Order: sequence, then structure tokens, then C-alpha cells
Amino acid sequence: GQQLNQSPQSMFIQEGEDVSMNCTSSSIFNTWLWYKQDPGEGPVLLIALYKAGELTSNGRLTAQFGITRKDSFLNISASIPSDVGIYFCAGQLSTGKLIFGQGTTLQVKP
Amino acid sequence: DTAVSQTPKYLVTQMGNDKSIKCEQNLGHDTMYWYKQDSKKFLKIMFSYNNKELIINETVPNRFSPKSPDKAHLNLHINSLELGDSAVYFCASSQAYTGQGAEAFFGQGTRLTVV
Repeated sequence: GQQLNQSPQSMFIQEGEDVSMNCTSSSIFNTWLWYKQDPGEGPVLLIALYKAGELTSNGRLTAQFGITRKDSFLNISASIPSDVGIYFCAGQLSTGKLIFGQGTTLQVKP
Repeated sequence: DTAVSQTPKYLVTQMGNDKSIKCEQNLGHDTMYWYKQDSKKFLKIMFSYNNKELIINETVPNRFSPKSPDKAHLNLHINSLELGDSAVYFCASSQAYTGQGAEAFFGQGTRLTVV
């Protein structure tokens, strides 16, 4: 079946550092989404990307839809302690089905 | 004010029991989903309904039966619960089921523990 490979699996960084994570797949996606999940909560949408090559920012977050439509990355600049959580990429197929990556657990040391 | 709300938040039950989880969204969305998140945090879609019609039905045991009485509600009934059903179940909704507007908004989750 379709799979998304998300890396890294976890990151432990110092406050103020920049963070980068990415997702790759052998499948082509029509939409890429990035979510953040805090403990005990549901995933919250951070950024949605609809076109190949699209680069979108949301505050300190920037994400890009890869040209091949098979990958996407998320960057977080100048991390702060509240950035802690699990970040998920999700790719949507033409059928509407959403496939999630395995998640990147981010820890930020003050 | 809650956009996607599901109840209960926690559910502890014995093997073999039947239980239901309810979900309601007040966003006016046409599409609703059930996702399962396992102990490794992996999120997998189970079902998707668009305008009360089932459009995605992943390989889920038929002990799981979704029911959508109207566009704003999607309930999940589980028969003969097994230990392996223990997980967090998320309800979600989106404006559309494909293309722009298909971004899913998630509820807070129901942590199901089968003992």
C-alpha cells in the first residue's frame, strides 16, 4: 500500500535553533498537509499545500510541496519551548484518502 | 464553540463488550472520518463519509460499524471488543473529500482501553 517515510523520527534541539523535517513517498500526492499533535489532543493543521513547488509560510513555519509531488518538507525557525510535540506530514491521494507519515517527535531544551 | 467533538474522551471496557463513540461537528462540513492512532502514534484512516455516504472503508474488521445519521454526526460502534482494539480513535471532518478544502480537522480523541 501507499506509505510515507517521515524523518527524522525524533529531534532534541536547543531553543532558538532551526528545525527541518521531511516526508518522501513513491506515490504521487495532490495535497500535502502538515499537522502538530500535543499530548492528549488531536492533530492540529499547520500548513496545507496544493500545488507542486508551492512554498507556504505560517509564522515561523515554512513548508514546501516537492516538484515531483512525492515529497514535502517543513522548517521551523528559531524554535521555542511550545514547539514541542509530534509533527505529522500527510499526503492526499486523488481518491481523497489521506496517508500519514510516522511522525517526528520534537523536544526543545530551554 | 468546539468544532469537532467526540465522546467519551476515555473508555475502559472488558473484552467482548460492545461500545459506541459519538462524533459531532459544527463546521458545516460535508465529509467526516474515523482514524485510529496506535501506541506508536501511527494514524490510519478507517472510514470516510461524504454527505452521509460511505466513500472510504479501509481494511477494518466488520466488528467496526460507522453510522452517519446526518452530515454533522458520525458515530462508531464496535462489537465484541478485543485487546488489540485498544488505541486512540479520532473523529475528523473536512469541507470536501478531495482537493482544496479536504484538510481534515480533528477532534480530541477517544482513548479506548480494552481489558
